[in-house]
Amino acid sequence: DVKVTQSSRYLVKRTGEKVFLECVQDMDHENMFWYRQDPGLGLRLIYFSYDVKMKEKGDIPEGYSVSREKKERFSLILESASTNQTSMYLCASSSAGENVAPRDRGEQYFGPGTRLTVT
Amino acid sequence: AQSVTQPDIHITVSEGASLELRCNYSYGATPYLFWYVQSPGQGLQLLLKYFSGDTLVQGIKGFEAEFKRSQSSFNLRKPSVHWSDAAEYFCAVGSEFSGNTPLVFGKGTRLSVIA
Repeated sequence: DVKVTQSSRYLVKRTGEKVFLECVQDMDHENMFWYRQDPGLGLRLIYFSYDVKMKEKGDIPEGYSVSREKKERFSLILESASTNQTSMYLCASSSAGENVAPRDRGEQYFGPGTRLTVT
Repeated sequence: AQSVTQPDIHITVSEGASLELRCNYSYGATPYLFWYVQSPGQGLQLLLKYFSGDTLVQGIKGFEAEFKRSQSSFNLRKPSVHWSDAAEYFCAVGSEFSGNTPLVFGKGTRLSVIA
């Protein structure tokens, strides 16, 4: 059974703190993604990675950075947390490449989410 | 550029009534289309997907969706809604060649179910 796990379900941090959100997948997927979700705005892509040590900016990368040192792990870093980063953060992964069957291409598997509150 | 529009922000239906959630997409090639469901406080779960072949796709929990290329739509349907279907629903589009590119998601439709 495929699985994406996130290090915390709920997190409360103070303004200015450095925050790490961890995501681990056990499906040997090449691609990993970080989204934030806010009411009325849907899912907004922060960063994604298509290989170890590779990263691409999404739609809203400002104030965030990422790290992918191992294939199964993708970390989201808030260098100096601010109250406007209070949100639900969702991690996802997907497979890529020529070996992927057509019916499996593009499908993203999501973790349970981390609700971050910055006070 | 790819885009997805879910015109309805919030829909309320009675338990046992039928349901249709709308999704329109913009994409230049043959799309891969997905519907995800998110229960309160949870991550997203795949309901169904279309990638080729039969345009009527069956999914989990009794849901189905129909791909209509001429209308650029992929509407989600269920003949009889249960209270446990109350959730947020997201439509997404990708492509056979998306490879390393992310899916594009709509903003979601929140479904409320009343007795």
